[in-house]
Amino acid sequence: GPKVLQIPSHQIIDMGQMVTLNCDPVSNHLYFYWYKQILGQQMEFLVNFYNGKVMEKSKLFKDQFSVERPDGSYFTLKIQPTALEDSAVYFCASSLGEGWGNYEQYFGPGTRLTVL
Amino acid sequence: GDSVTQTEGQVALSEEDFLTIHCNYSASGYPALFWYVQYPGEGPQFLFRASRDKEKGSSRGFEATYDKGTTSFHLRKASVQESDSAVYYCALATGGLSGKLTFGEGTQVTVIS
Repeated sequence: GPKVLQIPSHQIIDMGQMVTLNCDPVSNHLYFYWYKQILGQQMEFLVNFYNGKVMEKSKLFKDQFSVERPDGSYFTLKIQPTALEDSAVYFCASSLGEGWGNYEQYFGPGTRLTVL
Repeated sequence: GDSVTQTEGQVALSEEDFLTIHCNYSASGYPALFWYVQYPGEGPQFLFRASRDKEKGSSRGFEATYDKGTTSFHLRKASVQESDSAVYYCALATGGLSGKLTFGEGTQVTVIS
């Protein structure tokens, strides 16, 4: 089936540094998402993105976070500066269309971010 | 806010056993309900959805029925196989354009041959 790729699979950085997580969504998908999962906790919605704009973001999507997809390339999540509480697995997802009832989200394998 | 609760954190079974994972939700409005499955090293995969009361979703021998009265969407499978070992997530979405999913805590299912 369709695959979402995430690069890198694991990233270790020092607190205060900038990090960019990359997502290669399914090729014809138009809606993109980031979710965050702290070890042992639920996966939580961060943000979704369509047509170059953020459509909705949660309270977890701090001012230090930003997303973009320049020219149809990777969909990225940038954190600048990072904090210890940003350590988590970040999952990217994409869907063909909008809304909850019609289009399933395809998830990548996740990027494990460790902030030291 | 919206929430999903899965009662079982871990379930251990033998092959051909009956599996039940309990999922209850709390949401404003009329949510769509989902089950996702996650295998080691992979992201969650869509299993199936149900969008209205009494609707049954099913896939790969798994099934769940939307029950608005008890706010539940319990996952069942009559005869599990070792390949069903995975983490199962119940989730909901409450409509609108965002497609935001709210997940439960997940249930680790281990099937022993």
